[in-house]
Amino acid sequence: QITLKESGPTLVESTQTLTLTCTFSGFSLSTTGVAVGWIRQPPGKALECLALIYWDDDTFYSPSLKSRLTITKDTSKNQMVLTMTNMDPVDTATYFCARRGGVTHYYFDYWGRGTMVTVSS
Amino acid sequence: QSALTQPASVSGSPGQSITISCTGTSSDIGAYNFVSWYQHHPDKAPKLLIYDVTNRPSGVSNRLSGSKSGNTASLTISGLQAEDEATYYCSSYTRSSTNWVFGGGTKLTVL
Repeated sequence: QITLKESGPTLVESTQTLTLTCTFSGFSLSTTGVAVGWIRQPPGKALECLALIYWDDDTFYSPSLKSRLTITKDTSKNQMVLTMTNMDPVDTATYFCARRGGVTHYYFDYWGRGTMVTVSS
Repeated sequence: QSALTQPASVSGSPGQSITISCTGTSSDIGAYNFVSWYQHHPDKAPKLLIYDVTNRPSGVSNRLSGSKSGNTASLTISGLQAEDEATYYCSSYTRSSTNWVFGGGTKLTVL
């Protein structure tokens, strides 16, 4: 059974750095083709893919947020971490962790429940 | 990169069929057969329903089907059931540097 779970603060202040952890089970991030990433949804807005990290340490970052994002993985702990610097109230959103199951998989086959992050001004 | 366009809400009675549209551009839906659909119940993890326009993962009901014409994809749910009440999101791979684009979600109400 594949599961993903997000953890991190529910409230951060403007200009602070957000650190979110995704802990997963049922698969390994060392398996060829697999990637895990972050997708967020601000209230009333569309989902947005922020970042992905692949089994071979390759990364993808949303071009509009690239300068603020860092994604890393700890394969031994089955965890992936996203840091987002210089948080702003517009970054208030539900942040989901999701898996991309293979390089020919142009979809996210498993998701976490998401964690709501509010940025105070 | 603009989001894909979905209706904000749709509704139907038990047993009926509904279709949710998802409109993109020639850079995303029109360019690739990589449309996916997700179901999201509140406080639950989003669930993959359809991938590559028409394919259902194992365990997903055959009451659900996906299609695409030009820049618009559609999700059809037949034989509506109360448990289908949820928010549905579409997504497509895209030529843009964002790689993926999502819709804003459609809330399905089963009357």
